Amino acid sequence: QKEVEQDPGPLSVPEGAIVSLNCTYSNSAFQYFMWYRQYSRKGPELLMYTYSSGNKEDGRFTAQVDKSSKYISLFIRDSQPSDSATYLCAMRSGGSNYKLTFGKGTLLTVNP
Amino acid sequence: AGVTQTPKFQVLKTGQSMTLQCAQDMNHEYMSWYRQDPGLGLRLIYYSFDVKDINKGEISDGYSVSRQAQAKFSLSLESAIPNQTALYFCATSDPTSGVFADTQYFGPGTRLTVL
Repeated sequence: QKEVEQDPGPLSVPEGAIVSLNCTYSNSAFQYFMWYRQYSRKGPELLMYTYSSGNKEDGRFTAQVDKSSKYISLFIRDSQPSDSATYLCAMRSGGSNYKLTFGKGTLLTVNP
Repeated sequence: AGVTQTPKFQVLKTGQSMTLQCAQDMNHEYMSWYRQDPGLGLRLIYYSFDVKDINKGEISDGYSVSRQAQAKFSLSLESAIPNQTALYFCATSDPTSGVFADTQYFGPGTRLTVL
């Protein structure tokens, strides 16, 4: 079993839809959870960052972490064509170890 | 400018060598190299906390690195093989920046094809 599993999609939705992206993981030591967004032919950029369990909201984006289920989610409300990108979950354990383990990424297309 | 990578594209023949360059102007101590393959995601090759600290990631075989200065971190392929065809990213972090110290700032990538 891979440490981080992410459905690669692709996922295609109409503009204005609510999008749910998910990752599961097996390493119970993971404490820091991130979502990166990668536009075509660009490097990934940090979108959301969450420590331990709970929710975090930033505008149209909400990140959820459920450590008991080893499951993280990213919700996008009122999706826009500009949200079309690959979304990668990433996570790491605590301490000074900055090694991130990434999911494979989910390709999202929002159709106008 | 953030994180810059050169070249943007490169085609090699099997057995050739090359070096991918990464430079950053954010004064970040931590620098790393990833490769991205379709269906496999991003995988860490090497990482470095300073010029005297170089660490292997999960897929370092066939690669070597050099941290020439805090701002420069290069990745070398000594004898390229076709399965090293991938998109390569350099990423940096600032360990002194507090809560989000591990946030990775990625460069634009180098697309490498080995024939």
